[in-house]
Amino acid sequence: GAVVSQHPSWVICKSGTSVKIECRSLDFQATTMFWYRQFPKQSLMLMATSNEGSKATYEQGVEKDKFLINHASLTLSTLTVTSAHPEDSSFYICSASDSRGLPYEQYFGPGTRLTVT
Amino acid sequence: QQQVKQSPQSLIVQKGGISIINCAYENTAFDYFPWYQQFPGKGPALLIAIRPDVSEKKEGRFTISFNKSAKQFSLHIMDSQPGDSATYFCAATPGTGFQKLVFGTGTRLLVSP
Repeated sequence: GAVVSQHPSWVICKSGTSVKIECRSLDFQATTMFWYRQFPKQSLMLMATSNEGSKATYEQGVEKDKFLINHASLTLSTLTVTSAHPEDSSFYICSASDSRGLPYEQYFGPGTRLTVT
Repeated sequence: QQQVKQSPQSLIVQKGGISIINCAYENTAFDYFPWYQQFPGKGPALLIAIRPDVSEKKEGRFTISFNKSAKQFSLHIMDSQPGDSATYFCAATPGTGFQKLVFGTGTRLLVSP
């Protein structure tokens, strides 16, 4: 149980284009989902917290207009990187909390490798 | 106060040995302390977690030791195996509600055959 998937697992896009990453909770309902960014050999950096049906809460220093987060249902959250640039290349990971389980437990997706050329 | 300090940054252990990773925190509101294991190119996976009402939790070869007064906790991997080679992150969060995790900086463990 508590499986989180991400799609795509890797994506290459050209500078200036937008790319959407999906995060799905497969066997549970996720009231809250989190989006992280991870650079090579570094820890996870929380970008934003999203709650189903409401606006995401972004961490300080994260550009809201660049990283659009939508949590339209209890099983799906999306992260759209708008007008991507090479410096946005990174490993993006989502996590979800089971609304019926312990709220502080987070289950992580497998990550999405974004490369902007 | 929101930081979780993790050490060492990297660790090499011989097969069969004990791997020990330490973490320390300042925020007394933290009361849920998970450890995550991450392999290259993969997302973190929950390994084991503890709440401060116990001083030790063991699951198979993995043990968390918790010292509430010192605000420190550690992960011990007994009989370390090459398959344990990964990056380990400690984390902390207030154990109520949908709170964000505060991660340590990670420890890259290499278990030599």
